[in-house]
Amino acid sequence: QVQLQESGPGLVKPSETLSLTCTVSGGSISSTTYFWAWIRQPPGKGLEWIGRVYSSGDTYYNPSLNSRVTISMETSRNQFSLTLNSVTAADSAVYYCARLYAFGVAIPGIYALDVWGQGTPVTVS
Amino acid sequence: DIQMTQSPSSLSASVGDRVTITCRASQSISKYLNWYQQKPGKAPKLLIFGASGLHTGVPSRFSGSGSGTHFTLTLSSLQPEDLATYYCQQTYDMESVTFGQGTKVDLK
Repeated sequence: QVQLQESGPGLVKPSETLSLTCTVSGGSISSTTYFWAWIRQPPGKGLEWIGRVYSSGDTYYNPSLNSRVTISMETSRNQFSLTLNSVTAADSAVYYCARLYAFGVAIPGIYALDVWGQGTPVTVS
Repeated sequence: DIQMTQSPSSLSASVGDRVTITCRASQSISKYLNWYQQKPGKAPKLLIFGASGLHTGVPSRFSGSGSGTHFTLTLSSLQPEDLATYYCQQTYDMESVTFGQGTKVDLK
């Protein structure tokens, strides 16, 4: 049973860098079957896609965050990480890591977030 | 970006009611549409993938339908444990995945 766990500081000062890590247990992050993603949820608001990374290191980011965000793999530790630069109060949110899996036999695959971490709250203040 | 619009934003229903939530995409996304359930203080859970595929362990009272730009999530008989916020998500454009704004379901 794959499990994901976010970790990192819960408080970040404005203009500084937010850094979070997602540790994957029960499966290998190097598997070519999955993508790995970050999603956030500001207090009382909906879900916002941050971006995703593949085992090859290829990444795609939300265009609204593209200039400030980096997602990277740390395969030796079975982790992937999120870095968000120049944070403001608007970046305060619960941050989730999740696994993207392709269901069915369609080409291209129908990807969905099938395993999520519990989420970690981050406050910018 | 592909915009996802859910309706209604919230609804109140009684236990046993049939509940339908709609999600519309700003362009055709074929069947690349997923539904998630989120309870307060918890991470979202996958309910439906590919517009109509029931994820493992999800009760059969949940069903999804649609293709192109119009999709629906239906709860055939609302149960107390179904009180939550529901989100649709498109993965047609994997370079820029987007969610709907959510539909909160509570008890009348």
